Amino acid sequence: AQTVTQSQPEMSVQEAETVTLSCTYDTSESDYYLFWYKQPPSRQMILVIRQEAYKQQNATENRFSVNFQKAAKSFSLKISDSQLGDAAMYFCAYRSKTGTSYGKLTFGQGTILTVHP
Amino acid sequence: DAMVIQNPRYQVTQFGKPVTLSCSQTLNHNVMYWYQQKSSQAPKLLFHYYDKDFNNEADTPDNFQSRRPNTSFCFLDIRSPGLGDAAMYLCATSRDPPGQGLPRGKLFFGSGTQLSVL
Repeated sequence: AQTVTQSQPEMSVQEAETVTLSCTYDTSESDYYLFWYKQPPSRQMILVIRQEAYKQQNATENRFSVNFQKAAKSFSLKISDSQLGDAAMYFCAYRSKTGTSYGKLTFGQGTILTVHP
Repeated sequence: DAMVIQNPRYQVTQFGKPVTLSCSQTLNHNVMYWYQQKSSQAPKLLFHYYDKDFNNEADTPDNFQSRRPNTSFCFLDIRSPGLGDAAMYLCATSRDPPGQGLPRGKLFFGSGTQLSVL
């Protein structure tokens, strides 16, 4: 079974600064999806960014980018020019493409991000 | 436009009294999921439907059941809720294999139903 680990229960950043959230995972699969989801106090799960493992290029979405290190099984999220609206719980998640775990989304424990004005 | 709709937003039930949570989707996705999320924890998959095929997680209690009468609707039934079942219940959908124009692999989540057990 796959596991996802977020080692930072809480992080904080000043508005307009940059912050990096860490995520590691364990798998024996060669191709899979990795995601970062944002969950604000409303509890709505919002997709921030997505990476397919076979793609070497790191995904970017506006102020959000990832550092995907497949060999190290690391998938960190960098938020540039942080905004007050970025404050939320962030979950790293893994999704299998094959096998008995096909389609299932496995979440890390989450990182609470606080943005200071 | 709302795509995955969960009703109600808040549900209160009594200890041991059966309760049903509902989820509907306008995306015509073939896969639907139910997740349980307790306070300050990660969502945990309870089960999912791949088309009409029901897939139960090994550690999902027998107290939890699900029905999917058609593509658009999926229900979560809790037969005898205990205090430990108080949680946010999240419904999600996906299309598998992914269709054209969709972000591959993405799950679409509803806003959740917060269940309280008194």
